[in-house]
Amino acid sequence: GENVEQHPSTLSVQEGDSAVIKCTYSDSASNYFPWYKQELGKRPQLIIDIRSNVGEKKDQRIAVTLNKTAKHFSLHITETQPEDSAVYFCAASKGDSNYQLIWGAGTKLIIKP
Amino acid sequence: ETGVTQSPTHLIKTRGQQVTLRCSSQSGHNTVSWYQQALGQGPQFIFQYYREEENGRGNFPPRFSGLQFPNYSSELNVNALELDDSALYLCASSPQPISSYEQYFGPGTRLTVT
Repeated sequence: GENVEQHPSTLSVQEGDSAVIKCTYSDSASNYFPWYKQELGKRPQLIIDIRSNVGEKKDQRIAVTLNKTAKHFSLHITETQPEDSAVYFCAASKGDSNYQLIWGAGTKLIIKP
Repeated sequence: ETGVTQSPTHLIKTRGQQVTLRCSSQSGHNTVSWYQQALGQGPQFIFQYYREEENGRGNFPPRFSGLQFPNYSSELNVNALELDDSALYLCASSPQPISSYEQYFGPGTRLTVT
């Protein structure tokens, strides 16, 4: 079946450095790719998303890139801050439905002071 | 605007029992999706309800069932509980039953099956 693989599972970066999280998906019909952030003990929240007709999207320190040919997309966080510490999930829409997302397993991002 | 709420927060059940989890959707949202999130994993889609009807289902057995009420709140029922059902159950509401709409998550119900 369709799946989304996410790497790395844990990422530790120095405060102020950049962090990159990568996801690959298997369903070539996927056309929507959101990223959610889940802080410890809190609910997941959407931080950025991208659609298949766009290659890159940026929102302040956060950017997402999409390579449809290779079926992978990445989250880039620049100038990392302590409040960026959280678990980040990527997801991809399921091609044969317009209602379902397939989620990655998550990346625990640790910002070292 | 009222956010998504879930009850109870925590629940401990015995294998073979039945459980009902509740979710109140955000004001103005007519769609509720339910997810199971095992420890260290991403959310797994259980099913979605739109205007009181099941709109789609993931790879979960029939002992996982749900309801949506006229006010768009929703219930998740799990029968014949198994140890592997232990997880965080999240509901998320959205203004339309389409995956490209932002999903607003509740705080979750932590279910432990012993």
